[in-house]
Amino acid sequence: DIQMTQSPATLSASVGDRVTITCRASQSFNTWLAWYQQKPGKAPKLLISQVSILESGVPSRFSGSGSGTEFTLTISSLQPDDFATYYCQQYDSISSCTFGQGTKLEIK
Amino acid sequence: EVQLEESGGGLVEPGGSLRLSCAASAFTFTSYSMNWVRQAPGKGLEWVSSISPSGDSTYYADSVRGRFTISRDNAKNSLFLQMNNLRIEDTAVYYCARDYSQGSMADAFDVWGRGTVVTVSS
Repeated sequence: DIQMTQSPATLSASVGDRVTITCRASQSFNTWLAWYQQKPGKAPKLLISQVSILESGVPSRFSGSGSGTEFTLTISSLQPDDFATYYCQQYDSISSCTFGQGTKLEIK
Repeated sequence: EVQLEESGGGLVEPGGSLRLSCAASAFTFTSYSMNWVRQAPGKGLEWVSSISPSGDSTYYADSVRGRFTISRDNAKNSLFLQMNNLRIEDTAVYYCARDYSQGSMADAFDVWGRGTVVTVSS
């Protein structure tokens, strides 16, 4: 199975900052990578699929990029609503998928 | 509005069984693969199991294979997870989630339920 390692585990930032979260895979795969946002007590919300396709209704300050074994989620200018936990997910295999451990984005 | 609603969670002793259900509404259930994802208290997301649109293909995480069984009733727009021989480490919120694309079998999850809590404790 492909293992996903997210970094950092915690990120402290301020409103207006540009932040980047990285997800590294244990082996190379194609474009089957998604990013989710989760707020306390809520279900995850799909932000980006296939590395860089923004879901409908997701603000354009969110973007995804990467290939091979390294992928990134960037928020260009943090807003108060963005403080949450973010997860990457690989879905390259038909028989399983794996999530990263999560990155908690905190207010500095 | 497209919705998923889980039910069936609760408190069960180690070694016990529980059956989770997920009711789907406002989309063509028979066209989508479905999934269970869990989240232990204070922990990250863990994929548990997937099932194809027709139900003839199923997949499991190593941590639950042989103990959990995923199934679906397309006539009733329902997804199920039969959990047997439960362990303390199965304690989690269990979410059902829909594959993003119709007919896919490896996809992102675009619709999630609110989750149901399973607690395994003596």
